[in-house]
Amino acid sequence: DAKTTQPPSMDCAEGRAANLPCNHSTISGNEYVYWYRQIHSQGPQYIIHGLKNNETNEMASLIITEDRKSSTLILPHATLRDTAVYYCIVGALGNEKLTFGTGTRLTIIP
Amino acid sequence: SAVISQKPSRDICQRGTSLTIQCQVDSQVTMMFWYRQQPGQSLTLIATANQGSEATYESGFVIDKFPISRPNLTFSTLTVSNMSPEDSSIYLCSVDPIGTGLGGYTFGSGTRLTVV
Repeated sequence: DAKTTQPPSMDCAEGRAANLPCNHSTISGNEYVYWYRQIHSQGPQYIIHGLKNNETNEMASLIITEDRKSSTLILPHATLRDTAVYYCIVGALGNEKLTFGTGTRLTIIP
Repeated sequence: SAVISQKPSRDICQRGTSLTIQCQVDSQVTMMFWYRQQPGQSLTLIATANQGSEATYESGFVIDKFPISRPNLTFSTLTVSNMSPEDSSIYLCSVDPIGTGLGGYTFGSGTRLTVV
């Protein structure tokens, strides 16, 4: 699996959009980008995934660059409950093994 | 998505003893995954459990230390054997409910193990 690079921590004001970057410069053509988050004392929670097109669901939006070497997870209106560690993971379709990096610790500031 | 019940949620154990962690899923799944999360660290995959065959262990993890059972498509156990304080971690199970890797994996709430 391709490795990812994320900033170790970020702060965001409550109500603002939180933009979490991820670099995955060695991603292969068949590898997806997945985002998970882990709220304190809970198991990781799936957020969103994408291959090359931008994706949006009820939780977030995922923007993938045209060369697919980086992506950004966007939480449009961050709340205090969004404080968590966010993991960007890349993997191939059918590869059922998730390899977690160190993630970004996002803190939402009141 | 699937619902996972993981037991126990936490335990404090004496060194040299063993603890078996249970993971029950509300639907049939092909693969079940066991992770370890050491204090302040990210998740590390221990092994993949497929029903009807031996579990596949990741580098650094061995069956004698972390034996796994997978008796059916909804249940698995992980045993942490001959425990030492270094085994103090959160242990989590995970499944891929639709079996393709897409749609997200579901994780249990974890077992917080403290070895004294």
